[in-house]
Amino acid sequence: GAVVSQHPSRVICKSGTSVKIECRSLDFQATTMFWYRQFPKQSLMLMATSNEGSKATYEQGVEKDKFLINHASLTLSTLTVTSAHPEDSSFYICSEGGGASHEQFFGPGTRLTVL
Amino acid sequence: AQTVTQSQPEMSVQEAETVTLSCTYDTSENNYYLFWYKQPPSRQMILVIRQEAYKQQNATENRFSVNFQKAAKSFSLKISDSQLGDTAMYFCAFSQIQGAQKLVFGQGTRLTINP
Repeated sequence: GAVVSQHPSRVICKSGTSVKIECRSLDFQATTMFWYRQFPKQSLMLMATSNEGSKATYEQGVEKDKFLINHASLTLSTLTVTSAHPEDSSFYICSEGGGASHEQFFGPGTRLTVL
Repeated sequence: AQTVTQSQPEMSVQEAETVTLSCTYDTSENNYYLFWYKQPPSRQMILVIRQEAYKQQNATENRFSVNFQKAAKSFSLKISDSQLGDTAMYFCAFSQIQGAQKLVFGQGTRLTINP
């Protein structure tokens, strides 16, 4: 299957700053990537669908101006958490998917802690 | 909108035993995909097994098999000869075939295999 990397794996920032998380598809050209958020002991919740060369599609309740997504190439999607606050602390996971089988391949995740 | 429900927050069995994790879902679609993903302590999401709704035959992958009951909208996972490495969170997920190939996850079941 496809190999997906994320960077950084962990980030700690001060409240009010912006944080960028990169998601790379290492061996596959991904026209679509997905961004999920996972709070402790909870399930994955889809935040947005990242489309190469076009605007991302955000799920209901997700602020597009706060969670900026850029998918400028077939191998890279970025998520920028703008003006981060402690309640944005979470585990952010991206995936590349799904192809004919609809299987998604997940990155290792990024743990964001906002102080 | 599709929903996925896992009614067992936690399960625990002895090594080598067989365990079944439950999952039900709700959809008005006739064709779709169902998945079981595993999330070990590393938090890397790993695909365990996939089922296409139009296939009546239950999917099997080595020690992992599913019991897919389309009319009942049930999709349980059976793990045979459980191993210590099976200890993880298990998520049931749904993906529609038409439109965005996003995954809708259940709440997860924390499975512990005891030596």
